[in-house]
Amino acid sequence: GDSVTQMEGPVTLSEEAFLTINCTYTATGYPSLFWYVQYPGEGLQLLLKATKADDKGSNKGFEATYRKETTSFHLEKGSVQVSDSAVYFCALSNAGNNRKLIWGLGTSLAVNP
Amino acid sequence: ETGVTQTPRHLVMGMTNKKSLKCEQHLGHNAMYWYKQSAKKPLELMFVYSLEERVENNSVPSRFSPECPNSSHLFLHLHTLQPEDSALYLCASSQGRTEQFFGPGTRLTVL
Repeated sequence: GDSVTQMEGPVTLSEEAFLTINCTYTATGYPSLFWYVQYPGEGLQLLLKATKADDKGSNKGFEATYRKETTSFHLEKGSVQVSDSAVYFCALSNAGNNRKLIWGLGTSLAVNP
Repeated sequence: ETGVTQTPRHLVMGMTNKKSLKCEQHLGHNAMYWYKQSAKKPLELMFVYSLEERVENNSVPSRFSPECPNSSHLFLHLHTLQPEDSALYLCASSQGRTEQFFGPGTRLTVL
């Protein structure tokens, strides 16, 4: 069945460092890919998405490119801030799976001043 | 109110209590979801309602009973829970099967 694998955390960075959180997936067909973020004490928020190969999703300085050849959707940010400290979830939605969201385990990010 | 709201935000209950979680969405969506989030586990989809009909029930124990009286409201009725049911319960909504919008969650502790 469809699945999502994220790099394990926690990830700890200093402010202004470069961030990469790896996400790879297994799916038939052409899924849509998402990154959600969960700030402490809150629910999940959609951060960005991509619906077809080579699409780049971007929001709040974060980017991720849908790479079908490597089945990846890695999240990147050039310069993280303390306010980016949160848990980041990669997910996919596949028409062949009734568009149910399949989730990764989440990656915790802590950014120190 | 905007987005998806959930009440209460925190709930402590004994194993013999009956309580309900409430979710309300102000986005005009036609699908609503209950998820369970436990530490070190993937997000677990519990129930899906589409146009007020339950379309998915992922082998959830009968001590959890959902109710969707209309497209804006979703409840999760709880009775005779176990300590392992302690978790963050998240509600979400969507228009069809597009991206989901989440509420802040209810942190449930079962003693």
